[in-house]
Amino acid sequence: GENVEQHPSTLSVQEGDSAVIKCTYSDSASNYFPWYKQELGKRPQLIIDIRSNVGEKKDQRIAVTLNKTAKHFSLHITETQPEDSAVYFCAASIEGAQKLVFGQGTRLTINP
Amino acid sequence: SAVISQKPSRDICQRGTSLTIQCQVDSQVTMMFWYRQQPGQSLTLIATANQGSEATYESGFVIDKFPISRPNLTFSTLTVSNMSPEDSSIYLCSVGEGGKQFFGPGTRLTVL
Repeated sequence: GENVEQHPSTLSVQEGDSAVIKCTYSDSASNYFPWYKQELGKRPQLIIDIRSNVGEKKDQRIAVTLNKTAKHFSLHITETQPEDSAVYFCAASIEGAQKLVFGQGTRLTINP
Repeated sequence: SAVISQKPSRDICQRGTSLTIQCQVDSQVTMMFWYRQQPGQSLTLIATANQGSEATYESGFVIDKFPISRPNLTFSTLTVSNMSPEDSSIYLCSVGEGGKQFFGPGTRLTVL
């Protein structure tokens, strides 16, 4: 079955700098790649997603890139702010937005 | 997106007992899922809750331990049976809507 590896497990950046989180997946049939942000004690919140027919997607300070050949995708956050501090999870699915397989998570800390 | 609620929000249970978690959505949805998030860990799909038929379980999860009901398109329950301390986790329901997946607030279960 699908396996998703996420790196780094922790990331600390200065406020205003950029943060990049990377994920690799094993099943070349995967076609949907969402990213979730989970604040302490809260539910995972969908922040951006990308499908296999698109190489890049951007939403304000957040962007996701997908390299199908290398089977990896990345989350880019620019101009980081303290409220970006959270755990971020990538996921992959071979059935659209169903049966998501999650990465291990990245704890992002924004230092003022 | 759909509004998803779960009951209870948290519970403390004795080993050997069972707990039923409810998930309610404010609109009809085709796809509902149940995930487990162990302390400090990522999310793992338990099963897909199918309306009108038996749930589809992922590897490592069985119906006897995690029976699921889905009586209609707005409601599902997950029962954690014969609990042990290893079942202490957050249990989350999610729904598929508009090609995306959204999570409920979760149920924090502690088994003593």
